[in-house]
Formats: sequence, structure tokens, C-alpha cells
Amino acid sequence: DAGVTQSPTHLIKTRGQQVTLRCSPISGHKSVSWYQQVLGQGPQFIFQYYEKEERGRGNFPDRFSARQFPNYSSELNVNALLLGDSALYLCASSFGQGRSSGNTIYFGEGSWLTVV
Amino acid sequence: GENVEQHPSTLSVQEGDSAVIKCTYSDSASNYFPWYKQELGKRPQLIIDIRSNVGEKKDQRIAVTLNKTAKHFSLHITETQPEDSAVYFCAALSGGSYIPTFGRGTSLIVHP
Repeated sequence: DAGVTQSPTHLIKTRGQQVTLRCSPISGHKSVSWYQQVLGQGPQFIFQYYEKEERGRGNFPDRFSARQFPNYSSELNVNALLLGDSALYLCASSFGQGRSSGNTIYFGEGSWLTVV
Repeated sequence: GENVEQHPSTLSVQEGDSAVIKCTYSDSASNYFPWYKQELGKRPQLIIDIRSNVGEKKDQRIAVTLNKTAKHFSLHITETQPEDSAVYFCAALSGGSYIPTFGRGTSLIVHP
């Protein structure tokens, strides 16, 4: 049974460019969340999508956007890249979106983004 | 919003010793507290979680305790082994947003 899959695993971009990261949740999971993890810190929440609708947004600028597709996969887009956007971007999936049982989140391996 | 503080930031122990990592949270409505282990270059993996209707949960060498009154929860690892070396993150789910807030992490080093 496949876990959360993300692509690409590593990428290097230049300041000002745009990047798209992709995520496929665990089969049957309807919620996808995106996190940014800077070295030495815990994951910081960016977005949550449930049933193709945005259900939560963290404290990130409008350069960050995301969407969820009918098959529950998701994309994270970052425009006008800055050096400070260099980080590990983690996608996580869960069955639902709330705090009841079964909503444990599972992380993918992440996409390492380096902005030069 | 929720705020999670995690201590210590680094913990060094000898193989066979116990390790304890503590987290405090601010939102009294939070009721789900997972712990993740992240090895170098890998994804965070859930190792244990606890819900607010219980005070303690064990899984082999790992246990988590929760004190709702004091708003803190702790991870206990007994008989530590070198493969336990990793960064451990606690998290709390805030009552209103359903989004987990993570602590800054504890780097656990187990010396053989």
C-alpha cells in the first residue's frame, strides 16, 4: 500500500522563478496539507485542502498557492521565489480534516527546494 | 492560535538510559497530541499519539503522558538504543482550526 508520494524530491531554482510541487495522498485519504520545514525547525503549516476546498491557510504570503484535484492529489505553487523559500516542503494526508479518530496525518518524503 | 513549546532542544544520553522530552501547549481546546520522529533527511513519522480523554499511552519502549490541567505532555523512551537517535517533534491540534502546531524539535543523541 503506497504512502504519501511527492515529486520532485530535489530541485534547484533561481530567485524570481516559480515552482510547482506535487503530492499524491494515501489511497482513501481526502485531506492534504502542505508544510514548510526549515533546517532546525518543526514543520510550519501552509495549507490544508479537504474535498478540493481550502480549509486552512498558515501565515504565508500570497506567493504561495495550492489546489486539490478530483482524485485528491494536490499541487503547491510558489511564485517569485526568494532565497528564504529554500526548505523541505512536506505534504501530509489524512482521511478527514478534524480531530476525531482516523485523522492522523502521514507525511510524504518531501521536496527539497534550494533557491539560489 | 495554538503555541507549542518543546524542551530540551538537544538531549544526549547513553545507550540503555531513559529519555524524556516535554511539550507545553496554550490552547485548552486542543485534544490530540501526536509525536513524530524524523531521521536525518527523512520525513517525520508518527511514533505515538494521545487524545485528551486519556492520561497515558504506552507502546513498547515508548510512552506519552498528558496533563490537561497543566497543559503539558511528555514523551518517554526507555532503554534507549542508538537507532533512537533522531529529531523528535511534538504537536497539538488546536480546537478551532484542526491544524497541528508543531514544537521546534528535540535532537536526541544516543551514545553506544
